Amino acid sequence: QSALTQPASVSGSPGQSITISCTGTSSDVGGYNYVSWYQQHPGKAPKLMIYDATNRPSGISNRFSGSKAGNTAFLTISGLQAEDESHYYCSSYTSIATLVFGGGTKLTVL
Amino acid sequence: QVTLRESGPALVKTTETLTLTCTFSGFSLSTRGMCVSWIRQPPGKALEWLARIDWDQDKYYKPSLRTRLTISKDTSKNQVVLTMINMDPVDTATYYCARMFCNGYYYMDVWGKGTTVTVSS
Repeated sequence: QSALTQPASVSGSPGQSITISCTGTSSDVGGYNYVSWYQQHPGKAPKLMIYDATNRPSGISNRFSGSKAGNTAFLTISGLQAEDESHYYCSSYTSIATLVFGGGTKLTVL
Repeated sequence: QVTLRESGPALVKTTETLTLTCTFSGFSLSTRGMCVSWIRQPPGKALEWLARIDWDQDKYYKPSLRTRLTISKDTSKNQVVLTMINMDPVDTATYYCARMFCNGYYYMDVWGKGTTVTVSS
């Protein structure tokens, strides 16, 4: 059970869009639509942003969207705002009924 | 309103056993599809999923830590307990519990604030 692969960092200017990738295998990301994304500000608990690959929980801005293609899931943030600067983690259900996280991506808003 | 709160020792010694308690409110762990997961995060590092207990008592563990972890629940007290044996300095981390949906959905929607555990040699 290896960690999912995410880019260590991404950046964008206010108003722009960015996409964070999350690559796994057919035993996790590719095998199920049970991918979720979490935002974590420094010193805070993670916050659910996307579940089941594409669904937004109530209260999450529609600037956040999720998608999946094969073994890779994506989180897209459009209309970047300063408050979006944070760490983002993906997570997937696995074939042995466990969960696995990605290594995390630090988003910098320039 | 759903809340979870982690509690346990802030400091443990190498080889000791860590016992953490997650006390929750706003949901029942006897409801079909409800689960609680434990996750940890070493300082400056990524989240790591550790274990999960389901409404029907099914339990799942991270394979590489399976021999060291035990998860249990007390439904009447709204508590989930995680024990980790043979603690090592590399286990120093913030430990979180989170409510999880686990029947046709698999995600954690509400997290506790976390409890920091330091393992000293």
